Amino acid sequence: DTAVSQTPKYLVTQMGNDKSIKCEQNLGHDTMYWYKQDSKKFLKIMFSYNNKELIINETVPNRFSPKSPDKAHLNLHINSLELGDSAVYFCASSQDRGPYEQYFGPGTRLTVT
Amino acid sequence: AQSVTQLDSQVPVFEEAPVELRCNYSSSVSVYLFWYVQYPNQGLQLLLKYLSGSTLVKGINGFEAEFNKSQTSFHLRKPSVHISDTAEYFCAVLLNTGGFKTIFGAGTRLFVKA
Repeated sequence: DTAVSQTPKYLVTQMGNDKSIKCEQNLGHDTMYWYKQDSKKFLKIMFSYNNKELIINETVPNRFSPKSPDKAHLNLHINSLELGDSAVYFCASSQDRGPYEQYFGPGTRLTVT
Repeated sequence: AQSVTQLDSQVPVFEEAPVELRCNYSSSVSVYLFWYVQYPNQGLQLLLKYLSGSTLVKGINGFEAEFNKSQTSFHLRKPSVHISDTAEYFCAVLLNTGGFKTIFGAGTRLFVKA
């Protein structure tokens, strides 16, 4: 009965490849997010979707494309992977009419070689 | 511009000692405030939150925080830490500027020594 799940947990790939990370939440939340956490633990918002609509799109290379087929899923597709994309990617969800806090997935550690 | 500053990047402390992790924010609008904890190789989880009402909020694992509007601070405290409290702690601010946006601080690594 995991609240926010991500797959895969680990992803090792070569530069130039295309990869996807999937996220699902079973909390009935209306908003979902993607964050990137670097090696210094800094957490950076990438995207936010509310009811399948893109709300936040921070300064992220357009090689990153989120897709939300329904409000319980938010996937992240990355084209032409680069070394600098290596990080831990977290999916999260929240209910923006309260209680507001975000629920995080376990993370996907992406290593680009 | 809105921001969240966690004043200490690392806090080493001995087991059973008290600890305070400091957080200041800047915002021109009303905010909701949160502390999250991240244990090694896990996602973040909520420790506590302030939405309104009493400025002293209690969270899980014996943590508490006090909202101070005049000092724009939301410091996290625990009177006696355990080894298991070793983790990364994030202060966060939720802004409502027509849409909701959460800003996270850079994190404070709490390291509890035996």
